[in-house]
Amino acid sequence: QAGLTQPPSVSKDLGQTATLTCTGNSNNVGDQGVVWLQHHQGHPPKLLSFRNYNRPSGISERFSGSASGDTASLTITGLQAEDEGDYYCSAWDNRLGAVLFGAGTKLTVL
Amino acid sequence: QLQLQESGPGLVKPSETLSLTCAVSGGSIRGSGHYWGVIRQPPGEGFEWIASIFDNGKTLYNPDLRSRVTVLVDTPKNQFSLRLSFVTAADTAVYYCVRTGERNTYKPEYWGQGTLVTVSS
Repeated sequence: QAGLTQPPSVSKDLGQTATLTCTGNSNNVGDQGVVWLQHHQGHPPKLLSFRNYNRPSGISERFSGSASGDTASLTITGLQAEDEGDYYCSAWDNRLGAVLFGAGTKLTVL
Repeated sequence: QLQLQESGPGLVKPSETLSLTCAVSGGSIRGSGHYWGVIRQPPGEGFEWIASIFDNGKTLYNPDLRSRVTVLVDTPKNQFSLRLSFVTAADTAVYYCVRTGERNTYKPEYWGQGTLVTVSS
């Protein structure tokens, strides 16, 4: 299955803003929207947003999702050391009838 | 607070069947209006969705794994289970039990801690 496309790594300074991207097509990102997951090794992933921009309760407003066409973005403002980790986008593909994942973006906070 | 707990074999021999049970606490699968599923992460790799089951038993399977996967729900025990047959080393992964979303909304909000399953002779 073709997955979703994410840049492998992003590096930003403490306090800055990071924008992570996720590109799919009209059957997944462009139709169903994406979820964003934060993953720290040794722990289960944490859901940051769903259907592009909806935040589950308890998730900081520093994390905001958006989308335009077949590309979704996760913006993290006021970067903190604990934001360092792996970020995955994922979406339901209504043509394949499957959940797809991106390969993940490793965020480094300098 | 909803919690999911995986129980798995730890080690499975090649060509055998991997059986994973996901126990749910703090909420009921029956009538939940949610899908419940399994997502895995091979060592050093990304995530792969395997299957999901709705509270009424409707199933969704990853097309790449469909021929080897069965997922069932046991509502009296408030748990669901996965069987993956004819395993190979490529099935070595951390397996997570996940509440994967509502009927029309993919939303993997609740995850178990994950259990490592190694396929090796």
